[in-house]
Amino acid sequence: DIQMTQSPSSLSASVGDRVTISCRASQGISNSLAWFQQKPGKAPKSLIYAASSLQSGVPSKFSGSGSGTDFTLTISSLQPEDFATYYCQQYNTYPLTFGQGTRLEIK
Amino acid sequence: EVQLVESGGGLVQPGGSLRLSCAASGFTFSNWMHWVRQAPGKGLVWVSRINSDGSTTNYADSVKGRFTISRDNAKNTLYLQMNSLRAEDTAVYHCVVYISGWNWGQGTLVTVSS
Repeated sequence: DIQMTQSPSSLSASVGDRVTISCRASQGISNSLAWFQQKPGKAPKSLIYAASSLQSGVPSKFSGSGSGTDFTLTISSLQPEDFATYYCQQYNTYPLTFGQGTRLEIK
Repeated sequence: EVQLVESGGGLVQPGGSLRLSCAASGFTFSNWMHWVRQAPGKGLVWVSRINSDGSTTNYADSVKGRFTISRDNAKNTLYLQMNSLRAEDTAVYHCVVYISGWNWGQGTLVTVSS
């Protein structure tokens, strides 16, 4: 199975900050990488697919980049509603696998 | 708009069975469909997938031989039959489909406990 490793596991930031979350795959996955946001008690919300394509309805403050094994999610101008847990997922090879999550907290 | 609505979760004893359903709407029900679960306080884990006509299915090792995925295309509904349930199967189960990105249902909670 392909292992997905996110860093950092947790992150403290302030409203208005720009943050970057990294995701590394244990082997190449081309651009078959998605990012999700999840808030407590809610279903994951899709943000990015194909590494850099914005899901419909998602604000452009979210952006993704990368290919192969290294990927990043960038969130600009953090707002209170952005504080949540973020997951990456590879869908190049089955089984689908997810990163362990990055918890973004208010500083 | 893609909509996925899961149902069928609940409390079941170890060794018991449960069948989950996922009603799909807002898209042509011909895509690969998936189940993904999340144990309380834990991360996301893929469980199973099925192709458009049900002829191909895949399972995570942890559920192979105990869970069966199926679909009824006439009813636009996805199913997950779960047998021989264990405490470690306790989780919220989400129905998921890839259509210009991943689309998730709200999930249904399965609790396996005596």
